Amino acid sequence: KNEVEQSPQNLTAQEGEFITINCSYSVGISALHWLQQHPGGGIVSLFMLSSGKKKHGRLIATINIQEKHSSLHITASHPRDSAVYICAVANFGNEKLTFGTGTRLTIIP
Amino acid sequence: DTGVSQDPRHKITKRGQNVTFRCDPISEHNRLYWYRQTLGQGPEFLTYFQNEAQLEKSRLLSDRFSAERPKGSFSTLEIQRTEQGDSAMYLCASSLRQGVADTQYFGPGTRLTVL
Repeated sequence: KNEVEQSPQNLTAQEGEFITINCSYSVGISALHWLQQHPGGGIVSLFMLSSGKKKHGRLIATINIQEKHSSLHITASHPRDSAVYICAVANFGNEKLTFGTGTRLTIIP
Repeated sequence: DTGVSQDPRHKITKRGQNVTFRCDPISEHNRLYWYRQTLGQGPEFLTYFQNEAQLEKSRLLSDRFSAERPKGSFSTLEIQRTEQGDSAMYLCASSLRQGVADTQYFGPGTRLTVL
C-alpha cells in the first residue's frame, strides 16, 4: 500500500466547475505539499500546510491531521488549470517528500 | 532567472554509457534533493544534501548512481553503465532549511532516455 493515496486518478470537468482532489496518507508528517505539474515535467509548489486551511486565488487546500487527509479545491475552474496535481508528504527532520501518483485534471472549455 | 536550473534538459544515451546531470539550486538554499519520476508515476526520492553533506540515500540508488555537492552549491548526479530501466525524468529541488517544514522549489528536470 502506498503511503500517499490520491483520488481520483483522472478528472475531467467543464469550465467553471468546482473541483476537489483528495489525498490520504498513512504516516506521521511534518507537512503536506500540493504540487502542480504541467506537460514537459516542470513542478510548481502550490501549498505547504501542516494544519487548517490555505487559500491562494481560486485554489484552496485543507488538511485534517487527525484523519490524515487533505483536499485541494479549485473554484471556477479554467482550461489553464489542466495539469497533474500531486500530493506529497514530508518526513520529520529530513523533509524528503513521498509523493502520490497524481491526479490528471482536464478542464474542457 | 533565480530559480532552480538543471542541465541538460534531455539526454539520450546508449545502454552501458555513463551520464552526468547537473543541478544549480536557488543560491541561498542549503538543502538540495534529487528525485526520479517514471512515466505515469509520482516522483520518488533518491538522495538529499544539506550544504555539502549527503545525508540520506534511497535504496533506489544503486551502486551505479553517485551524487555530489562539492561546495554546497551545485550538485551532480552520475549514472554509470546506464540500463534501460534508468530511463526517467530526474528532478532536482532545493529549499532553505529554516523551521519545521520547508517549501521545495523544483527544477525543470532532466529527461533521460536509455536506448
